[in-house]
Amino acid sequence: SAVISQKPSRDICQRGTSLTIQCQVDSQVTMMFWYRQQPGQSLTLIATANQGSEATYESGFVIDKFPISRPNLTFSTLTVSNMSPEDSSIYLCSVVLPPSSGGRGETQYFGPGTRLLVL
Amino acid sequence: EDKVVQSPLSLVVHEGDTVTLNCSYEVANFRSLLWYKQEKKAPTFLFMLTSSGIEKKSGRLSSILDKKELSSILNITATQTGDSAIYLCAVNTGTASKLTFGTGTRLQVTL
Repeated sequence: SAVISQKPSRDICQRGTSLTIQCQVDSQVTMMFWYRQQPGQSLTLIATANQGSEATYESGFVIDKFPISRPNLTFSTLTVSNMSPEDSSIYLCSVVLPPSSGGRGETQYFGPGTRLLVL
Repeated sequence: EDKVVQSPLSLVVHEGDTVTLNCSYEVANFRSLLWYKQEKKAPTFLFMLTSSGIEKKSGRLSSILDKKELSSILNITATQTGDSAIYLCAVNTGTASKLTFGTGTRLQVTL
């Protein structure tokens, strides 16, 4: 089955700075998503990363705060901009894998996550 | 607004016990229901359910969907300490494969 990796695994950042998180898949995927999981909370979808076009953001999330790139079918980045302590969360990318890579229908498979602490 | 609710929020059991976790949903458009296990950061996929009444089984874990009651249960028999995790239920509402997640059930299995 496909391998999904994220970098960095964790980071501690100062407020006002920005952090870019990378998500890499070892096979081509059409659907790629970014989620946030705040402490003690469940997963909330930030946006769908669309290859070759602007990301589709969910209500409450904006491009200026969470710019996303998707230059090809195996890679995406999420930037958390002008960070505040409220941005401290786990950030997860997920993909829908094709059957040839072990995917089952529209099941989403998650990367290992990035744990972010903003001081 | 789509909503997924899980119960209980947390549960502590002894090793060897059987547990049942619940998930109910209210969504405009149902496509499938998924269960994930989250131990550290990354949720790992357990089951995807699309049809009512058909049990999915993997070892000591099983799950079933009831579309009439808009709910699903996840059963774990003969629990082990390695089953300690947060169990997440999510519904695929069919809109570009988006998932709406429930609050999760935190399971702790003690010796």
